Order: sequence, then C-alpha cells, then structure tokens
Amino acid sequence: GAVVSQHPSRVICKSGTSVKIECRSLDFQATTMFWYRQFPKQSLMLMATSNEGSKATYEQGVEKDKFLINHASLTLSTLTVTSAHPEDSSFYICSAASTGRGNYGYTFGSGTRLTVV
Amino acid sequence: KQEVTQIPAALSVPEGENLVLNCSFTDSAIYNLQWFRQDPGKGLTSLLLIQSSQREQTSGRLNASLDKSSGRSTLYIAASQPGDSATYLCAVIYNNNDMRFGAGTRLTVKP
Repeated sequence: GAVVSQHPSRVICKSGTSVKIECRSLDFQATTMFWYRQFPKQSLMLMATSNEGSKATYEQGVEKDKFLINHASLTLSTLTVTSAHPEDSSFYICSAASTGRGNYGYTFGSGTRLTVV
Repeated sequence: KQEVTQIPAALSVPEGENLVLNCSFTDSAIYNLQWFRQDPGKGLTSLLLIQSSQREQTSGRLNASLDKSSGRSTLYIAASQPGDSATYLCAVIYNNNDMRFGAGTRLTVKP
C-alpha cells in the first residue's frame, strides 16, 4: 500500500531557530500533499495544500512567511517553521493521495512532535 | 460551511462490547469518507474508506456505513479489545478536494 514517510518524528529546538520537516511518498507520486497541525486533544487542522512545482495554498490564519512549504518534486514536500516560538509547539502531520482526487483515500505520515523551548 | 461532528467525544467500555461511533457532516457533496485511528502522539492509520457511491465497508471487526442523504457515517466495532483503545477520526473528502476532520472519539476499552 501507499506509504508516506515523515521525519523527524520528534524535534526540540530553541526559540528563534528554524526547523524543517520532510514528507516523502515512498511508492507513489503525490502531486498534492497536505500539511496539518494538531494541538493536544484536538483534531487536525489543515494548514496548507502543497502542489508540486507551484506555490502552496495556505488556510486562513496561517502565516505564509512563518510556515514555508516547498514541494519541489512529486515525492517530497517540506515544511519549515521559521523563527520558531513556544506557541508553535505542536504535532505536525502530512498527508498525500496517490491520485489527485483521493480515490483510494489519503495516507498520512507518522507525524512530527515539535517542541520549542 | 463544511463541518464534521463526531459523537461521542469520549467513550469507555468493558472489553468484549460492541460499540458504534458516529460521524455527521453538513455538506452532502462528498467524494468519499475515511475513518482513521490515532494512537497518542502518533500519526493516523487508515481503517476504512467509503466511496460516495458505497453504503458500507468492512474490515475484520470493523464496519463503516455511509448515508449521504442524512449526512451520517457510523463506525461499528465488534467485540472490542483493549488494543482498540485510541482516538478515532472521521474525515470527509469533498468534491472540491477539501478534507475535513471531526474532533474524534477517544475510545477506552477496559480489560
């Protein structure tokens, strides 16, 4: 089945530094990947939709300059949290579909627990 | 507005019980619906996917139904086990490719 690899699984960084999270589709090409964040005991909130070769589409309220998304190839999308602050501490998850319409459902990465100290 | 609601928010049952988790959505123009399981601090594991043209899907002890007209889906878990303890998320994929999640149901199955 489709597999999405996400790393790192955990990262602790100092306030003011930047952190890059990678999401790879291992056995399929993903023209579109989605980035979510999840606060404790809450559901996933879509942050942005990443399209290969074009600019990401951000959800309302998500800072584009703070959460940089790059989707340079059909198998790799990255999320960079720039100038991280403690309030950015969260669980970030990516997802992708093997078809543009998600005909066979969406596959999620294992998530990244970011802690900013 | 495309909203997805899951009831109950939390559920605790003794081992062996059959149980039903509910998911409702406000916009019936869905493409498909997917049920996920999430263990604490982990990513999501897909359980069942129901296409909009389907009424149910089964996998092992799990059965998911879909009623587009009433905007509802249920996840039925038979003979629950402690290992089933997790948060179960319902996700609706709409025709415009938007994906919306419910807040989840936290299930605890007591030995």
